[in-house]
Amino acid sequence: TQLLEQSPQFLSIQEGENLTVYCNSSSVFSSLQWYRQEPGEGPVLLVTVVTGGEVKKLKRLTFQFGDARKDSSLHITAAQPGDTGLYLCAATSGGSYIPTFGRGTSLIVHP
Amino acid sequence: NAGVTQTPKFQVLKTGQSMTLQCAQDMNHEYMSWYRQDPGMGLRLIHYSVGAGITDQGEVPNGYNVSRSTTEDFPLRLLSAAPSQTSVYFCASSYSSGRDLYNEQFFGPGTRLTVL
Repeated sequence: TQLLEQSPQFLSIQEGENLTVYCNSSSVFSSLQWYRQEPGEGPVLLVTVVTGGEVKKLKRLTFQFGDARKDSSLHITAAQPGDTGLYLCAATSGGSYIPTFGRGTSLIVHP
Repeated sequence: NAGVTQTPKFQVLKTGQSMTLQCAQDMNHEYMSWYRQDPGMGLRLIHYSVGAGITDQGEVPNGYNVSRSTTEDFPLRLLSAAPSQTSVYFCASSYSSGRDLYNEQFFGPGTRLTVL
């Protein structure tokens, strides 16, 4: 079972600050996804990255896949209270049908 | 489309009781899976299915059974509930595009289960 390490586990910041969360493993991935989960709801997909070195932007969110396809980062610029939630990375490798999830980063953005 | 639906939303059981968590999807997805989510543990895969009649174990299958008689439904059965099974359970589905790299997991709203 591939192990996905997410850091930090918790993050509490003020509105307007920037932040980066990380997802790391010793395994090489076919693809990596980032999900956001709000309290009382299921996770919702934000982005999928598949190419080493790939960078994707979604408004104030920037996602990067490491060159060796073993790690990824999510950077949020000028965080807003609406960004509050649990951010989960998930990865597949070797023809796996179902992704493995990391433990998540819980983000709170204070107004 | 309703997407992925789960029932019940909340459930309290006594140790030793059995119950079935229901999951249905109306998107004609081939893949369905069950996860449990515990504080600080992320999502852990219990069982999954790649099509009707085909199921397999995930990371934490003990104490749970599944079956997939139709494409739409994927129930999760707890045979004899234990306090360690207190958790939030999520069902998810995804399609097979032939390029599974981009398969998005669509999650239901979850079932919050407490075993006393």
